[in-house]
Amino acid sequence: QKEVEQNSGPLSVPEGAIASLNCTYSDRGSQSFFWYRQYSGKSPELIMSIYSNGDKEDGRFTAQLNKASQYVSLLIRDSQPSDSATYLCASSTQGNTGKLIFGQGTTLQVKP
Amino acid sequence: DAGVTQSPTHLIKTRGQQVTLRCSPKSGHDTVSWYQQALGQGPQFIFQYYEEEERQRGNFPDRFSGHQFPNYSSELNVNALLLGDSALYLCASSTFAYGYTFGSGTRLTVV
Repeated sequence: QKEVEQNSGPLSVPEGAIASLNCTYSDRGSQSFFWYRQYSGKSPELIMSIYSNGDKEDGRFTAQLNKASQYVSLLIRDSQPSDSATYLCASSTQGNTGKLIFGQGTTLQVKP
Repeated sequence: DAGVTQSPTHLIKTRGQQVTLRCSPKSGHDTVSWYQQALGQGPQFIFQYYEEEERQRGNFPDRFSGHQFPNYSSELNVNALLLGDSALYLCASSTFAYGYTFGSGTRLTVV
């Protein structure tokens, strides 16, 4: 069974700190990786996608991919209370339209 | 530009009944996928439709079936409902150049 694993948390950080969210995957055929944010009772919202090894930055968010270690991470700088949500890591073996394999999500709590 | 539209937003069904959920994809998207998200879990892939055919299927029983129409909209049908089918059902549309956009979901409660 191909899996994506995340620590369910909760991960608690103070406002202004860096939040670090981690994810591992088992399918070496995975090509695309995504981080989604999901507020309680709402649908997932795409934050970042990453396809190659290394870092990808977008505003306060940085995604990191290490295919050799089968590891994906998301860093959130200057965390805000509005960042409090569940963060879902997902992988796909078929680019932007292949089925997504999701982890169970990590709950982030940013305390004022 | 409308995003992905799902209906209904909530519904309650009795065990053994059948349910149909509907999805209209984002404009320009031709691929529709359905996911089931149980409370506290990540979404689980049910199946994907492209050009009115089921292209991929996850580990869900045959009670789960679907359809895609020529206008790319889609339906998810679940027969013989079980209590364990209670979940948030998410529709996501995509196209090759752009990744998934999720709808707001349908919350199904089976009693």
